[in-house]
Amino acid sequence: QITLKESGPTLVKPTQTLTLTCTFSGFSLRTSGVGVGWIRQPPGKALEWLALIYWNDDKRYSPSLKTSLTITKDTSKNLVVLTMASVDPVDTGTYYCAHMDYSSFTFDYWGQGTLVTVSS
Amino acid sequence: EIVLTQSPGILSLSPGERATLSCRASQSVRNSYVAWFQQRPGQAPRLLIFGASRRAIGIPDRFSGSGSGTDFTLTISRLEPEDFAVYFCQQYGTSPFTFGPGTKVDIK
Repeated sequence: QITLKESGPTLVKPTQTLTLTCTFSGFSLRTSGVGVGWIRQPPGKALEWLALIYWNDDKRYSPSLKTSLTITKDTSKNLVVLTMASVDPVDTGTYYCAHMDYSSFTFDYWGQGTLVTVSS
Repeated sequence: EIVLTQSPGILSLSPGERATLSCRASQSVRNSYVAWFQQRPGQAPRLLIFGASRRAIGIPDRFSGSGSGTDFTLTISRLEPEDFAVYFCQQYGTSPFTFGPGTKVDIK
């Protein structure tokens, strides 16, 4: 059974760095073809794809946020970390992590999401 | 970056009716790598369709997907009460793996 869960601060001040952790079970990031991605959703708005890390440490980023995002993995602890530098109030929203693999090549299992508010 | 446009923005229908949702890409999507997600209020998105037409595990057969190139469609043959939700398409053929703005299916 695949599960993912996001954790991190609920409130961050503008210009600070946001660090989110995705802890997962039921799969391994050592397995060929597996990846974990991050997606966010401002309140009442659409989904926005942020970043993806693959089992081989290949990484993909949204071009509009590439300079501020870093995605890393710890395969021994079954977690993926996303950091976002210099946050702004427009970064307020629910942040999801999700699993992908070669069975669908897209996000088939999602975490419940974590709401992050950026405000002074 | 491939931009996805979904139409209509809101679809007002009654239970039992057929829903047809459109997703158009700004350029051809490689391998028809288009997915559809359902999102109910307060919940995470759920994968319905991948590869334009393949149902994900556990998805009822009233959901079907079609299309290729730049035009894709999600069809719900007979709406059940739990189908009233927001639906997003996504292309994952070319990074960045963009999402569309969504179509809300609400009760008429």
